[in-house]
Amino acid sequence: SAVISQKPSRDICQRGTSLTIQCQVDSQVTMMFWYRQQPGQSLTLIATANQGSEATYESGFVIDKFPISRPNLTFSTLTVSNMSPEDSSIYLCSVEGVEQFFGPGTRLTVL
Amino acid sequence: GDSVTQMEGPVTLSEEAFLTINCTYTATGYPSLFWYVQYPGEGLQLLLKATKADDKGSNKGFEATYRKETTSFHLEKGSVQVSDSAVYFCAIYNFNKFYFGSGTKLNVKP
Repeated sequence: SAVISQKPSRDICQRGTSLTIQCQVDSQVTMMFWYRQQPGQSLTLIATANQGSEATYESGFVIDKFPISRPNLTFSTLTVSNMSPEDSSIYLCSVEGVEQFFGPGTRLTVL
Repeated sequence: GDSVTQMEGPVTLSEEAFLTINCTYTATGYPSLFWYVQYPGEGLQLLLKATKADDKGSNKGFEATYRKETTSFHLEKGSVQVSDSAVYFCAIYNFNKFYFGSGTKLNVKP
């Protein structure tokens, strides 16, 4: 079964800065997804990233705040821009067709 | 749109008690159904899943049956342990998207 990895696993950042989260899969996949889990909450889909096209964002999420790259079939990045404490969450990468579906997550704390 | 409703927590049980966490869903088409578990301070782990009606997913003593007629996927375990204390999420996967319930926190006391 394919394995999903994310970097960093956790980070503490200052308000106003940006953080780029990486997601790597050890097999080629068409669709990759980014989710957010705010403290004590459930998971919410941020966007869908297909290789070779612009990411598709869900209602409430915009490209300026969460730019996404998908340069090839095994890799994607999510950037959380101009961070505020409200962005403190776990960010998870998800991949279609992988048993676990979800990466281990990146735990972000914004001070 | 698609959605998942699961019973609110927290649920507090004594060790060896029977567990049921209710989950119902609304979806177009024919979704796959999942239960995920999140232990304190950890990421999301797939607990079990079912992909078609009447399928039973099972893992670590937990079971859930895909009931299309009642659009439900209730999680059960016959005898819980302290180590089962965690947050449990019911989810559906439909047209390439996951829809999660709000999560149910389970506390098991010795």
